[in-house]
Amino acid sequence: DGGITQSPKYLFRKEGQNVTLSCEQNLNHDAMYWYRQDPGQGLRLIYYSQIVNDFQKGDIAEGYSVSREKKESFPLTVTSAQKNPTAFYLCASRAGAGTGELFFGEGSRLTVL
Amino acid sequence: AQTVTQSQPEMSVQEAETVTLSCTYDTSENNYYLFWYKQPPSRQMILVIRQEAYKQQNATENRFSVNFQKAAKSFSLKISDSQLGDTAMYFCASSNSGYALNFGKGTSLLVTP
Repeated sequence: DGGITQSPKYLFRKEGQNVTLSCEQNLNHDAMYWYRQDPGQGLRLIYYSQIVNDFQKGDIAEGYSVSREKKESFPLTVTSAQKNPTAFYLCASRAGAGTGELFFGEGSRLTVL
Repeated sequence: AQTVTQSQPEMSVQEAETVTLSCTYDTSENNYYLFWYKQPPSRQMILVIRQEAYKQQNATENRFSVNFQKAAKSFSLKISDSQLGDTAMYFCASSNSGYALNFGKGTSLLVTP
């Protein structure tokens, strides 16, 4: 089945460690996105990529980094510079600039101890 | 930048009744799209309904319908014949072509027996 796979689903890390969240899609979508979800805050955009080898910062990019070496993959690294990394992270993709609808993965819950 | 406001953090409704969730947005674009997403306890984001701004007719999907008031920049979601499975967070979102979705902070809906 086509879809978006995020891994791991749950991740625990010590403070000061970098961690990478995986996002893979087999929908042949051009654009991919990372959102962060905190209680009462809705979804906030971290980074997005509309084509391979190109990406742009979203509203809360500080302390995060991404790469887009393949169309199918858009990993997110949460660096030690991110002051409050504990959150739920959602990856999404979109076919193009048509309807604007996003398709989401199941999310990754990161807890920093 | 587009902003989306959901003024009802929590709502409840009895099974089989009708409930309306409010959403207002702010955009300077002429061509944009509006969405309602549902996030059940599993945290999987599910598209409920979509509205193209250039279409005057309100979108409907089975028990879900919207009241789109373009001049007032209002986009409310009506759920008819509420079911226990409708219990979830509901997010309103807006998008202009070629960019990401902007989300509201969400409304937590509880459907009671």
